[in-house]
Amino acid sequence: GAGVSQSPSNKVTEKGKDVELRCDPISGHTALYWYRQSLGQGLEFLIYFQGNSAPDKSGLPSDRFSAERTGGSVSTLTIQRTQQEDSAVYLCASSFNVLRGGETQYFGPGTRLLVL
Amino acid sequence: GNSVTQMEGPVTLSEEAFLTINCTYTATGYPSLFWYVQYPGEGLQLLLKATKADDKGSNKGFEATYRKETTSFHLEKGSVQVSDSAVYFCALVSGGSYIPTFGRGTSLIVHP
Repeated sequence: GAGVSQSPSNKVTEKGKDVELRCDPISGHTALYWYRQSLGQGLEFLIYFQGNSAPDKSGLPSDRFSAERTGGSVSTLTIQRTQQEDSAVYLCASSFNVLRGGETQYFGPGTRLLVL
Repeated sequence: GNSVTQMEGPVTLSEEAFLTINCTYTATGYPSLFWYVQYPGEGLQLLLKATKADDKGSNKGFEATYRKETTSFHLEKGSVQVSDSAVYFCALVSGGSYIPTFGRGTSLIVHP
């Protein structure tokens, strides 16, 4: 069956440009998470959705970052006025429900963002 | 707050060697514990998990036991293969939060 997909797989952009990263979760999964993985670092939580709602946006690094989810399915992470420190791999994960009691997350392959 | 501490890598082993990757945690409540693996160029995938004290998770020859008394969840494998070369992440989800906490990851390199 189809897993979590992300697009684009790679993105090179110039400093100051806006970028949109897309995540298609597994069908039927109500929870969707975004993470950032910088070189040599662990996973940094950014935001999660339960359905179309984002109960916790505390991980977004600045107001240049925003995300939305429509129809309880596809999600878009937008970075405005990109900076070089935004260069990282952005990972999306989905789960059947929010994480409690051992719920498993399924990750996409990530989008590698390079800001020049 | 919650935290996960993993041993620094890279861990370099010869094929068929014994593997241990240490993971300790601090958490509120009674967390569920996970090991995820990330192969080169791919996203993370669940390797194993344990949801209560003394549970043992196992998969593909890997094992980890949830030790509440030592707040640990060490990953072990009796005989590693070259194909096990990857980055391994320890993680937890605490009962009161839906946001997982990940360790920094431990890179494993297995030589033939």
